[in-house]
Amino acid sequence: AQSVTQPDIHITVSEGASLELRCNYSYGATPYLFWYVQSPGQGLQLLLKYFSGDTLVQGIKGFEAEFKRSQSSFNLRKPSVHWSDAAEYFCAVGGVLTGGGNKLTFGTGTQLKVEL
Amino acid sequence: EAGVTQSPTHLIKTRGQQATLRCSPISGHTSVYWYQQALGLGLQFLLWYDEGEERNRGNFPPRFSGRQFPNYSSELNVNALELEDSALYLCASSSGQFTYGYTFGSGTRLTVV
Repeated sequence: AQSVTQPDIHITVSEGASLELRCNYSYGATPYLFWYVQSPGQGLQLLLKYFSGDTLVQGIKGFEAEFKRSQSSFNLRKPSVHWSDAAEYFCAVGGVLTGGGNKLTFGTGTQLKVEL
Repeated sequence: EAGVTQSPTHLIKTRGQQATLRCSPISGHTSVYWYQQALGLGLQFLLWYDEGEERNRGNFPPRFSGRQFPNYSSELNVNALELEDSALYLCASSSGQFTYGYTFGSGTRLTVV
């Protein structure tokens, strides 16, 4: 069964510092991988996705992520964090449901706090 | 283009009552997915509807049910509410092109007292 691990529950960084959020997945085939962000009281916004090709993917808001098959990882990075990046970040792996639908399996999330 | 819209934003119910949550997908999207985000449990897949039919469900009891209407909007019903049903319920839609990921709504916060 597919699974996603986000080992860091909370991370605090200073504004302007670099950020890396870790994500490890377990999936039998080539995975579809996603990062979402959730601001308080809001739904999830897609930051970026990977399904094939270049292992370094660019997303919105200056985020990027690198797919490393050998490490089963898909870590999210940002060179310089802004105070508005404070939110909860979810890594997800996509799978196929019986009947052809698509299910996302989410990690438990990483809460990012940005210190001014 | 309007995004995925969910209503109501907040819902307070008493244990044992029924709750009805609504979701309108992005225009052109035929699939609707429901997820439960409960405190401490993360996001759990609940239900998938496509072309008016329930296609798959997660590991939830039958009192979680719903339907999809001809215009592809969807309704989630939770019967015999229990305290642990308190959660944020998120609806997402997709066009079937999974590589693009889901588009989520802002959710309905259900509180059972």
